[in-house]
Amino acid sequence: DTAVSQTPKYLVTQMGNDKSIKCEQNLGHDTMYWYKQDSKKFLKIMFSYNNKELIINETVPNRFSPKSPDKAHLNLHINSLELGDSAVYFCASSHQQVLNTEAFFGQGTRLTVV
Amino acid sequence: AQSVSQHNHHVILSEAASLELGCNYSYGGTVNLFWYVQYPGQHLQLLLKYFSGDPLVKGIKGFEAEFIKSKFSFNLRKPSVQWSDTAEYFCAVNARGNNRLAFGKGNQVVVIP
Repeated sequence: DTAVSQTPKYLVTQMGNDKSIKCEQNLGHDTMYWYKQDSKKFLKIMFSYNNKELIINETVPNRFSPKSPDKAHLNLHINSLELGDSAVYFCASSHQQVLNTEAFFGQGTRLTVV
Repeated sequence: AQSVSQHNHHVILSEAASLELGCNYSYGGTVNLFWYVQYPGQHLQLLLKYFSGDPLVKGIKGFEAEFIKSKFSFNLRKPSVQWSDTAEYFCAVNARGNNRLAFGKGNQVVVIP
């Protein structure tokens, strides 16, 4: 059983295209995240949702739009893809209502924009 | 907002050598502390965590970390590394009750057989 699953694992696309990455967690967590890992392996939070509500929105271009249809899913849609969007995108989840909690990560989606 | 510093981004050592990776954070309140490991081509996995209690925590694969509150540090150690420990190691900090998990820039560790 995969706790946090992302699809697709690899995504190669041309500049200017629109693409989506999906994330699902079966842990019963109430909070989900998107992180971007650049070529230097630096991990930076992009968005966080708690019970389908956006609670963290870092300085991310508005071409990136997260959508949470329910608390088990957090999808990431990217419009007008640019070369600089190439990175590995990690979805994660945690249980915010539990004081001491850890985040569980998905396998990552390696996005390559050509 | 909390921030995390990891130094010596690239670490190369031989099998059986001891490893210590430093992690310092800046946040004055109560924190939860984590070390995650990312093996080549894989996702992040939790190595160990500290919430409260004994400041010396033991994780998987022989790793341990010590929380020193006065130094705002949470250094990771392993007495004798193996080739399979080659990976990227990330320290992360979460202010208690905050949704934000802040990561350090990571340490790339290469263990030479």
